[in-house]
Formats: sequence, structure tokens, C-alpha cells
Amino acid sequence: SAVISQKPSRDICQRGTSLTIQCQVDSQVTMMFWYRQQPGQSLTLIATANQGSEATYESGFVIDKFPISRPNLTFSTLTVSNMSPEDSSIYLCSAGLAGGGETQYFGPGTRLLVL
Amino acid sequence: AQSVTQLGSHVSVSEGALVLLRCNYSSSVPPYLFWYVQYPNQGLQLLLKYTTGATLVKGINGFEAEFKKSETSFHLTKPSAHMSDAAEYFCAVSLSGGYQKVTFGTGTKLQVIP
Repeated sequence: SAVISQKPSRDICQRGTSLTIQCQVDSQVTMMFWYRQQPGQSLTLIATANQGSEATYESGFVIDKFPISRPNLTFSTLTVSNMSPEDSSIYLCSAGLAGGGETQYFGPGTRLLVL
Repeated sequence: AQSVTQLGSHVSVSEGALVLLRCNYSSSVPPYLFWYVQYPNQGLQLLLKYTTGATLVKGINGFEAEFKKSETSFHLTKPSAHMSDAAEYFCAVSLSGGYQKVTFGTGTKLQVIP
């Protein structure tokens, strides 16, 4: 399995600002994913982040709004840019282990409130 | 393409009673199926998964699920509910063959009544 940590765990931000969320995995992973969980709803995949290549975004999500970095096999960041109250959500990163395995392991999430 | 339907956004059971959370999926190819649990203010934890082989899979905390291809179902069960089982449960599906996009159901909140 993999242990995943996220920073910050929660934040309150002002409209129009940006927040960068960090995701650290305790082992090398092939795939990392970023999800959004809006209040009372299920998880929606924002993008898939592979090391050494551009992130792949799902329909409805764009790089200008959610830029992602993946500098190595254990770390990724998601930035929520030019925030509005509609961006208030839980943002979760997950990872699939290198060397096979279909399971995604999740971080604890970052709880974001935009005022 | 794949999708997941979880029947019942809220389920209440008495402590000690059977837990049954329903999940039906749609997939164009043989699926991988997962159940995750989310406790309040926490991330998701994998309960169990089905990829290939035995259709009855056992997970952590006494949960199990059975893959029924003919019914396109993957219901989660536990013989005896415990207060600590109160959480939200998500069924998820991905296409087989390595790392694929995972699609989550809308979740079922389980309440356990003492």
C-alpha cells in the first residue's frame, strides 16, 4: 500500500486568489490523480498526472484553472487558480503504485472554503 | 465507458444487523470494481476490490462483496453492523488493464442505530 499526505489539510481563501495543494507519497508511484468532492457529492476526477508529461484533464476542467505539476515519482501539486466560492470543495489526490496494481490509494484531502 | 449506480443515498441499520449496500455498474469491457469507505473529515480507504478470479471478495473490517456479472452488481455486505461502521461508502468501477480512470458512485451514508 501507499501512505499519502496532503498539505494544507484545510484553508479558507479569498475570492480571486490561488491555492497550491501538495501531495506526497511515501513510495514511487506511476500514476497520480486529483479529484474534487463538492459538498455532499461524490468524487469527480480533475486530471491524471504522470511524471515527465503534461497532465491529462477531464472534461470540464482546464489547465489554466487547475495547473498541475508532477516533478518526480512521489510528489504532485494542484493549484486552484482565481478562486470563486464555487471552488469550495474537498480536493483529494490519489496514487497507483508502480509495478502493477489497480488500486488507487487516497490522501486525506484538502478542505477548501472560498469566501 | 463505465458508470456506477448506488441505490440508496442513506441506509440505516441497527447495531448487529446485516449491512447491505447496493451497487450496479455498467462497463463496455470486464470491469475492476472497488468499494471505498470515507469516515467523517477523512480521505477514502479501500475496503475491497474485484479484478479477476474469485467473485466473492473479502475486505477489511468484516466486509465482503460479490461480483455478479449476470446482474452487473457488486453489492457490499457485512453480517453484523458495528457502530464504527457508520461512514459513507463509495462503489467505484474502472476498465480492466492497468491504470484506468476510476468512476465513483454517488455514495451511500450508512447510519448504525444502537
